[in-house]
Amino acid sequence: EPEVTQTPSHQVTQMGQEVILRCVPISNHLYFYWYRQILGQKVEFLVSFYNNEISEKSEIFDDQFSVERPDGSNFTLKIRSTKLEDSAMYFCASSGGQGDTEAFFGQGTRLTVV
Amino acid sequence: QKEVEQNSGPLSVPEGAIASLNCTYSDRGSQSFFWYRQYSGKSPELIMSIYSNGDKEDGRFTAQLNKASQYVSLLIRDSQPSDSATYLCAAYQAGTALIFGKGTTLSVSS
Repeated sequence: EPEVTQTPSHQVTQMGQEVILRCVPISNHLYFYWYRQILGQKVEFLVSFYNNEISEKSEIFDDQFSVERPDGSNFTLKIRSTKLEDSAMYFCASSGGQGDTEAFFGQGTRLTVV
Repeated sequence: QKEVEQNSGPLSVPEGAIASLNCTYSDRGSQSFFWYRQYSGKSPELIMSIYSNGDKEDGRFTAQLNKASQYVSLLIRDSQPSDSATYLCAAYQAGTALIFGKGTTLSVSS
């Protein structure tokens, strides 16, 4: 069964460092998303991406964040200068159509900023 | 601010019983609704989607949608201990993205 895969599963980084989280969406999907979940809190939308550009972003997705689809399969989230409060689970998701169809999540990357 | 509200629980039911999970949403423009299951430390797993008023059944799961009341529910029949998890309700409106509730923790005792 097709699935969204994310790497790494766990990333520890020092405050102020840049991190790149990687995702391989389901191959025939067109819409890609990043969400995050701080421990004990709800899943929060960060950004959606379609046709090689950002289609929507939340207030959380500030200038420290960027997304890219560097090739035909990968979808990345970059955090330029990490802060302690960026520590969270980051989930990549993909869907075939714009949100009206079902979004499938990857297993997540746990980011710990120390 | 678009909100999806859920009772955090925990909701405790005995094995074999029906579990009823509820959700309300604030944005009348929301068009699509989803239920996800999330085990502790894992990612959300899609259980069901519902787009039209009424009921939608899939195996032991039934989703119900009432757009006039802005209310979505999930019924789990013949609950099993393996159903113990947090259930996330999510709503989607065109031009935005999935907005999640905080989730309801379900505990099924054997």
